[in-house]
Amino acid sequence: AQSVTQLGSHVSVSEGALVLLRCNYSSSVPPYLFWYVQYPNQGLQLLLKYTSAATLVKGINGFEAEFKKSETSFHLTKPSAHMSDAAEYFCAVSSLMDTGRRALTFGSGTRLQVQP
Amino acid sequence: EPEVTQTPSHQVTQMGQEVILRCVPISNHLYFYWYRQILGQKVEFLVSFYNNEISEKSEIFDDQFSVERPDGSNFTLKIRSTKLEDSAMYFCASSGQFEAFFGQGTRLTVV
Repeated sequence: AQSVTQLGSHVSVSEGALVLLRCNYSSSVPPYLFWYVQYPNQGLQLLLKYTSAATLVKGINGFEAEFKKSETSFHLTKPSAHMSDAAEYFCAVSSLMDTGRRALTFGSGTRLQVQP
Repeated sequence: EPEVTQTPSHQVTQMGQEVILRCVPISNHLYFYWYRQILGQKVEFLVSFYNNEISEKSEIFDDQFSVERPDGSNFTLKIRSTKLEDSAMYFCASSGQFEAFFGQGTRLTVV
């Protein structure tokens, strides 16, 4: 079984400040991990993915995330927040080793607010 | 850039009616999915489809739901007799080797 916990349903930062969105996962098999962003009334856009290569992965819009197996974490960071980063962020886990269990399990999401 | 397209973007239906939500996945992808998101809640997995059959489904995906790939391009989700609690945003997704790409969603409102 797989699960994702996102700590903090709402995070507020000032423009230019560090963004840190937390994600912890549970998986009985080696996980593949993803961050998606959802802007209001839109679909889910992939920010970045971890697929067992480099543990530090870089994504779009200046975001990056680090896979830490010992901590079962995959936190999302961005050095300097921009107003356009305001959105809902979802962490998700999948097992791609089994064709029958590739579906994503999502966390409950973190709404990021960026204050001017 | 290839994308997943969903139609309609909005659908209002009366309770008890059948609805069909349509999706055109990315053409060279092999895995297809439906997810839903009830307003203000997280995205929930419904069903995955691979090699012309259901490969996985959640407990939400009961006998009221069915999926089809009627031709080489479309992927549909049918809800036979809609309930009020089926009101949600329904997302189609497709994937190749790794990441899934999502459509913009269909907002279903059951009245």
